[in-house]
Amino acid sequence: QKEVEQNSGPLSVPEGAIASLNCTYSDRGSQSFFWYRQYSGKSPELIMFIYSNGDKEDGRFTAQLNKASQYVSLLIRDSQPRASAPYLCAVNPQAGTALIFGKGTTLSVSS
Amino acid sequence: GAVVSQHPSRVICKSGTSVKIECRSLDFQATTMFWYRQFPKQSLMLMATSNEGSKATYEQGVEKDKFLINHASLTLSTLTVTSAHPEDSSFYICSATGTSGGYEQFFGPGTRLTVL
Repeated sequence: QKEVEQNSGPLSVPEGAIASLNCTYSDRGSQSFFWYRQYSGKSPELIMFIYSNGDKEDGRFTAQLNKASQYVSLLIRDSQPRASAPYLCAVNPQAGTALIFGKGTTLSVSS
Repeated sequence: GAVVSQHPSRVICKSGTSVKIECRSLDFQATTMFWYRQFPKQSLMLMATSNEGSKATYEQGVEKDKFLINHASLTLSTLTVTSAHPEDSSFYICSATGTSGGYEQFFGPGTRLTVL
């Protein structure tokens, strides 16, 4: 069974610090990887996606992918309290198929 | 672009009644739509995959006769919860992929179902 694992947290960081969120996946053939943020009562909001090994940066966010280790992470620089929410890692085994979600890591940024 | 809507956003119904939830892609044609369910403090769980013009594929443990899915056009999929019971109370979210066949999925805002 294809699985996506995340530490449930909470991950607590002070305002302005770097938050590091981690995710591992079981299907070695997975093609694409996503990070979502989900505020209470809302649908997931796409933060970043990454397809290739290495780093991908977008503003305060950096996604890192290591397919050999089946590991994907999300770094959030200069964390702000408004970023506090569960962060969901999702993996897409192949185009056109459903995403497989991890259980999410709750980030708490204190001011 | 790539906007997906859901209707209604919130519904409260009595036990035993049926509820229909609509998922529409507003500015693109959705080859495939997915229906997820999310219980409190849990992650999204896939219920079924819906392709336009064909029968939906349900995940193990999801009753196809209870959760009826119709994908009648490239912009509309509906989920009908038949004879709803309190344990069906959940957050139902649809997502869609476009005809280009890419990896990204576009999520609707979700529907909160409460069965009394």
